[in-house]
Amino acid sequence: DSGVTQTPKHLITATGQRVTLRCSPRSGDLSVYWYQQSLDQGLQFLIQYYNGEERAKGNILERFSAQQFPDLHSELNLSSLELGDSALYFCASSLSSGSVYGYTFGSGTRLTVV
Amino acid sequence: AQKVTQAQTEISVVEKEDVTLDCVYETRDTTYYLFWYKQPPSGELVFLIRRNSFDEQNEISGRYSWNFQKSTSSFNFTITASQVVDSAVYFCALSALTGANNLFFGTGTRLTVIP
Repeated sequence: DSGVTQTPKHLITATGQRVTLRCSPRSGDLSVYWYQQSLDQGLQFLIQYYNGEERAKGNILERFSAQQFPDLHSELNLSSLELGDSALYFCASSLSSGSVYGYTFGSGTRLTVV
Repeated sequence: AQKVTQAQTEISVVEKEDVTLDCVYETRDTTYYLFWYKQPPSGELVFLIRRNSFDEQNEISGRYSWNFQKSTSSFNFTITASQVVDSAVYFCALSALTGANNLFFGTGTRLTVIP
């Protein structure tokens, strides 16, 4: 167990729908990162939050949004879902805002859009 | 800009063979960090190693070893006497102090160890 908890583990939904993925970081970590892993795109950085504030944005679509709450858990909201959004979504956490010490990853949420 | 290239998409070896996974990186930063992660069939990403750009000493951990060469911008990973449990996708990643503050991953190398 890495200490980073992601729920749900699996999600199947229809096109056009909206889903929320949840992440609880490792105890003591202030930063949360979201990554998308699809077959053709590899691991793509989506967004980072540090202590409740957005710190960095990667290849995140406008249909996607995230936030980090006061208790430091984070949610990734995906709306108007398309077939191409089917992927494994990872959350990772780290103590600091930087990535120099690497991240601890959760086990991922596998999203299937049908 | 940061970039990580793992040219080997898939590798198959017979159990007990040695195998080297290649990683070539690009960055303009003088201070950066390199990582390897393992993704077994179960899907989670497992941290293996972190190296900083000032430490070119090779590292060995059991059957795993890493060869960092700044002259060729490479950070290769060797598994000695491979085992079936080593079957996984292995990712090399780069983090630099400037620019976007996140890990840049290579596309991964799928290693299959045949019993």
